[in-house]
Amino acid sequence: AQKVTQAQTEISVVEKEDVTLDCVYETRDTTYYLFWYKQPPSGELVFLIRRNSFDEQNEISGRYSWNFQKSTSSFNFTITASQVVDSAVYFCALSEAPQTGANNLFFGTGTRLTVIP
Amino acid sequence: DSGVTQTPKHLITATGQRVTLRCSPRSGDLSVYWYQQSLDQGLQFLIQYYNGEERAKGNILERFSAQQFPDLHSELNLSSLELGDSALYFCASSVEGSETQYFGPGTRLLVL
Repeated sequence: AQKVTQAQTEISVVEKEDVTLDCVYETRDTTYYLFWYKQPPSGELVFLIRRNSFDEQNEISGRYSWNFQKSTSSFNFTITASQVVDSAVYFCALSEAPQTGANNLFFGTGTRLTVIP
Repeated sequence: DSGVTQTPKHLITATGQRVTLRCSPRSGDLSVYWYQQSLDQGLQFLIQYYNGEERAKGNILERFSAQQFPDLHSELNLSSLELGDSALYFCASSVEGSETQYFGPGTRLLVL
């Protein structure tokens, strides 16, 4: 069965601090996809990144970076030099790749990040 | 702006009533997904359509139904509404061959 765990319910940091959001997943599939989405106070879900299970290369995009480790089933997300605009709920999600094409997302419970000015 | 549109943005109704939520996917996307976000259940997958056909079903109640029309827009019908159906309902779409889903702004449903 699929499962995504975000153990951190809420995190508060002071502006300009670095912060890492943790995500641990479970799946029996050998091919799967991992995602991070951001939900700002306005409520929409904004896609941030997708990682394929066969690509463990970590990625940096501006102030964001992602650390994917298959050995520990983790897909952590780091924001460097946090800003007030980073305040949001961040969701980690998993999609498996069945041959049926049913690729719905399984979401974690989210981590609420508050950046204090 | 993801390119996915949802109407209405807000909906207030009474228990026992029926409502229809509408979603237009991004241009070229054939898959449409519906998700429900509530305080107690979190973000849950409801149903997926691909080019007019149902492709996957999640935790969707029998009182709920959906369809995708030839122009690819989708509607989610919620009937015999209960207080517990109050939630944010998201639609998402994806292009064939891509696992990435782009979400609409959501419809916030309040059942009184």
